Amino acid sequence: KAGVTQTPRYLIKTRGQQVTLSCSPISGHRSVSWYQQTPGQGLQFLFEYFSETQRNKGNFPGRFSGRQFSNSRSEMNVSTLELGDSALYLCASSLDGNSYNEQFFGPGTRLTVL
Amino acid sequence: AQSVTQPDIHITVSEGASLELRCNYSYGATPYLFWYVQSPGQGLQLLLKYFSGDTLVQGIKGFEAEFKRSQSSFNLRKPSVHWSDAAEYFCAVGFAYSGGGADGLTFGKGTHLIIQP
Repeated sequence: KAGVTQTPRYLIKTRGQQVTLSCSPISGHRSVSWYQQTPGQGLQFLFEYFSETQRNKGNFPGRFSGRQFSNSRSEMNVSTLELGDSALYLCASSLDGNSYNEQFFGPGTRLTVL
Repeated sequence: AQSVTQPDIHITVSEGASLELRCNYSYGATPYLFWYVQSPGQGLQLLLKYFSGDTLVQGIKGFEAEFKRSQSSFNLRKPSVHWSDAAEYFCAVGFAYSGGGADGLTFGKGTHLIIQP
């Protein structure tokens, strides 16, 4: 069974631009969560999608948004990029998003904002 | 809000020696507890998890962890480390909404494990 895939793996943008990251979950998984990983703040939860609906959201500004498609693939968008948005963005999929189900993480997208 | 503390930022262990990585959490009830490992350029891989029952849980790659409610701890152990164990280790807690779903995992800042030959 293929794992979680994220595209692109690396991205360089400049301040003020916007970016879209993509995540394809494991086949059969309906929940997709997004996390931001930075050296200073560590791993922080962004949001979780289940059946095309955002079910939970972390403490991030509205510039961070996402969506999920009917095939469970998910995208996250960051508008008006700031230098502090430089991070590794990790996507995780699970069967239904319940805490007792393992979350499988993708390799991440490394975003650099110049 | 729940929080997770991993007090050791770096730990250096000789190959073949035993390992213990510390994790303390702050949460009103018993949370779901996890240990993940991250190798350079990789995503996170689940080593083990605790939800209820036996407080000593076994995981992959020879790791185990013990949940101690009185100390709010969930320390990770391995009796003999291998050079391939060098990586970043994260402790995490989560809890479920009664209506389903989860609020995302809360992670500790991680412990960087260095293996000396």
